[in-house]
Amino acid sequence: DGGITQSPKYLFRKEGQNVTLSCEQNLNHDAMYWYRQDPGQGLRLIYYSQIVNDFQKGDIAEGYSVSREKKESFPLTVTSAQKNPTAFYLCASSIGWVTNTEAFFGQGTRLTVV
Amino acid sequence: GENVEQHPSTLSVQEGDSAVIKCTYSDSASNYFPWYKQELGKRPQLIIDIRSNVGEKKDQRIAVTLNKTAKHFSLHITETQPEDSAVYFCAASFMDSNYQLIWGAGTKLIIKP
Repeated sequence: DGGITQSPKYLFRKEGQNVTLSCEQNLNHDAMYWYRQDPGQGLRLIYYSQIVNDFQKGDIAEGYSVSREKKESFPLTVTSAQKNPTAFYLCASSIGWVTNTEAFFGQGTRLTVV
Repeated sequence: GENVEQHPSTLSVQEGDSAVIKCTYSDSASNYFPWYKQELGKRPQLIIDIRSNVGEKKDQRIAVTLNKTAKHFSLHITETQPEDSAVYFCAASFMDSNYQLIWGAGTKLIIKP
């Protein structure tokens, strides 16, 4: 069953802690993305990766970090430097980047700072 | 900078009527315009997209129109049904931003029985 999987679905973090959100895809897609979704706003790009071992900052990268050691995996770490981390995080993948193809999204992770 | 504006933020229509959501974009070089539907608690899913060499595209009850001169594109849903209730997002790719998709803020579509 092909798709893109995010875990966990819900995550609670204490202030000052780093947390890592998992994103795995078995679609053999080259490009992967992390978005943040806040109420009443569109999707804002945090980081994206066009190929293994390469990634670029999106519009709101401050306080976040990523890695792309494997084609299937693109984990996002929310660091203590992110001042307002409570949000819904969506991971996505697509066949390529420049070809502007459909993006497939994971189910999302809702992060709450307590 | 690049920008996509989406209107209205909320749209309520009677079941069976048509719904129209409009987006405007800032970069005349944009060439790809997808629409995604996000049902409550679920992931966004592509419902239709259009490229800059086409003015209109239809898929059953859904259509998208593109006016490159005016830099706007619209989603049209005819004969609306309860399952059309969701948040709809438009997006546009921007060449100057390495073809990143810039997203509209979303429209909450409510279908009244």
